[in-house]
Amino acid sequence: SAVISQKPSRDICQRGTSLTIQCQVDSQVTMMFWYRQQPGQSLTLIATANQGSEATYESGFVIDKFPISRPNLTFSTLTVSNMSPEDSSIYLCSVTPQGLGQFFGPGTRLTVL
Amino acid sequence: KQEVTQIPAALSVPEGENLVLNCSFTDSAIYNLQWFRQDPGKGLTSLLLIQSSQREQTSGRLNASLDKSSGRSTLYIAASQPGDSATYLCAVPGSFGNEKLTFGTGTRLTIIP
Repeated sequence: SAVISQKPSRDICQRGTSLTIQCQVDSQVTMMFWYRQQPGQSLTLIATANQGSEATYESGFVIDKFPISRPNLTFSTLTVSNMSPEDSSIYLCSVTPQGLGQFFGPGTRLTVL
Repeated sequence: KQEVTQIPAALSVPEGENLVLNCSFTDSAIYNLQWFRQDPGKGLTSLLLIQSSQREQTSGRLNASLDKSSGRSTLYIAASQPGDSATYLCAVPGSFGNEKLTFGTGTRLTIIP
């Protein structure tokens, strides 16, 4: 398995500001995923982040709104830019150690006022 | 496009009862199937992973089965306890195993003391 930590665990932000979420893994992994879970909904993939290449975004998500960094094999950041109340969600990162399924961080609970 | 459905959407049972949660998926070309537990406002905890070649997996009071040909999986919880109250999600990757997960809609389980 993999142990994943996220910072911050929660935050309350003002409209128009940006928040950067950090994801740290205790082992080297090739692929990291960023998901969003809006209130009462299931998880939706934002993007896939591979070390050394540009992140791949899902339909409906763009780099200007959700820039992602992946500087090494154990760390990634997701920035939520120019936030609006509709961005209030739980943001989760996950990794998939080969053949072991997918493991998730504890999530970052974001509230935008 | 893979679609994953979970029935029922919500379930309330008295403590001590055995129960079954259902998950169905439309594309049987899956690498594995994973069951998760999510407590309110928290991240996902992996419960069981069933590889495509397996029929079932067991962990303590939990047993998950997989029937790829019919596109179904069940999660059986024996002797339910109030601490089992949570939302249960099933999820499948694509045929290679390291792609994004497609999540079911979730079953919100409440165990009544």
